[in-house]
Amino acid sequence: DSGVTQTPKHLITATGQRVTLRCSPRSGDLSVYWYQQSLDQGLQFLIQYYNGEERAKGNILERFSAQQFPDLHSELNLSSLELGDSALYFCASSKGQAGTGELFFGEGSRLTVL
Amino acid sequence: GENVEQHPSTLSVQEGDSAVIKCTYSDSASNYFPWYKQELGKRPQLIIDIRSNVGEKKDQRIAVTLNKTAKHFSLHITETQPEDSAVYFCAASRYGGATNKLIFGTGTLLAVQP
Repeated sequence: DSGVTQTPKHLITATGQRVTLRCSPRSGDLSVYWYQQSLDQGLQFLIQYYNGEERAKGNILERFSAQQFPDLHSELNLSSLELGDSALYFCASSKGQAGTGELFFGEGSRLTVL
Repeated sequence: GENVEQHPSTLSVQEGDSAVIKCTYSDSASNYFPWYKQELGKRPQLIIDIRSNVGEKKDQRIAVTLNKTAKHFSLHITETQPEDSAVYFCAASRYGGATNKLIFGTGTLLAVQP
């Protein structure tokens, strides 16, 4: 158990819909990261937050947005869903914001868009 | 931005043989290179990392080497065992930089045949 909690574990929805994925980081970790894993794309970095502020952006679509709340949990919002958005979405956390070492991953949220 | 290439995409070895996975990175400012192992249906977990001030690091049967001049690094697994079967991801980022944007390679599926 990494200490990072993600909900829901599985989600099935239809094209055009909107979903919210939730992540609670390890106790004491201030940074939260979101990654998308599809079969042929490996782990794609989406976005990073540190202590409530956005710190780095990757290949995150405009239809996607995220935020980190004062209690440090984070939410990833995916809207106008397309079939290609089906993937496993991982949240990870770390203590610091700089490249200070290990990222601890949650178990992931598997999104299926039909 | 940083780009990490990883080869091979699949690797099959006999139990007891060695396995080598290679990665190249594009950003010469990157100085932190971790390797993550993802077992089937599980979350990625850090197995070893190296910083750019050293050329090699070992931990029991696994080792990582780094060639800063050529901008490539490799994972070496000796005396492979069936439980080594997994997807391995290399990654690169700037340790101590303003962000901890960890960019992953596309992964190597290692199959250890008993």
